[in-house]
Amino acid sequence: DAMVIQNPRYQVTQFGKPVTLSCSQTLNHNVMYWYQQKSSQAPKLLFHYYDKDFNNEADTPDNFQSRRPNTSFCFLDIRSPGLGDAAMYLCATSRSGTSRAYEQYFGPGTRLTVT
Amino acid sequence: GNSVTQMEGPVTLSEEAFLTINCTYTATGYPSLFWYVQYPGEGLQLLLKATKADDKGSNKGFEATYRKETTSFHLEKGSVQVSDSAVYFCALSGNTGKLIFGQGTTLQVKP
Repeated sequence: DAMVIQNPRYQVTQFGKPVTLSCSQTLNHNVMYWYQQKSSQAPKLLFHYYDKDFNNEADTPDNFQSRRPNTSFCFLDIRSPGLGDAAMYLCATSRSGTSRAYEQYFGPGTRLTVT
Repeated sequence: GNSVTQMEGPVTLSEEAFLTINCTYTATGYPSLFWYVQYPGEGLQLLLKATKADDKGSNKGFEATYRKETTSFHLEKGSVQVSDSAVYFCALSGNTGKLIFGQGTTLQVKP
């Protein structure tokens, strides 16, 4: 089945220690998104890639970076995690970023704990 | 700007009860509307969608109709099951393709 895969499902890191979360997709979608979600609140968009074009949300902290080496993979790097960065991180994909009709497909998420 | 408002939860129902979760939106142009469901510890799953006025999205017994005149997209199910317990998010997508989410409504169904 075509899907969005996130690894690991659970990640524990220490305060200030860089961490990388990964996302891969077999849907061949050209748009990939990273969201942060806390305590069953609505997901908050951090940034997205339209093909190779990176689009950062205005209120995303500089501590969060992303890489997309190819169509299938996308990484979220947190350079110096703080306690406030503990959250569920969701990756999503869609076929086109400029069409309102295309739904986003979400991965299962990575639960990040910062100690 | 675009926004989505959902009824506050939690909503607690007995099994086989009728479910309605209200969702209203504010948007320029003609957005697409979605309901996503999130089970505990999981990502979001698309439940149903509607892309134009008067469209009805349906899936797994859930339905929602795109009402432009009332700017609403209420989620309904005739008979809920314990397995429907989850958080439900209403969302819209405008011309940018970005999703604007409501705050989520927690549904708890008791046997």
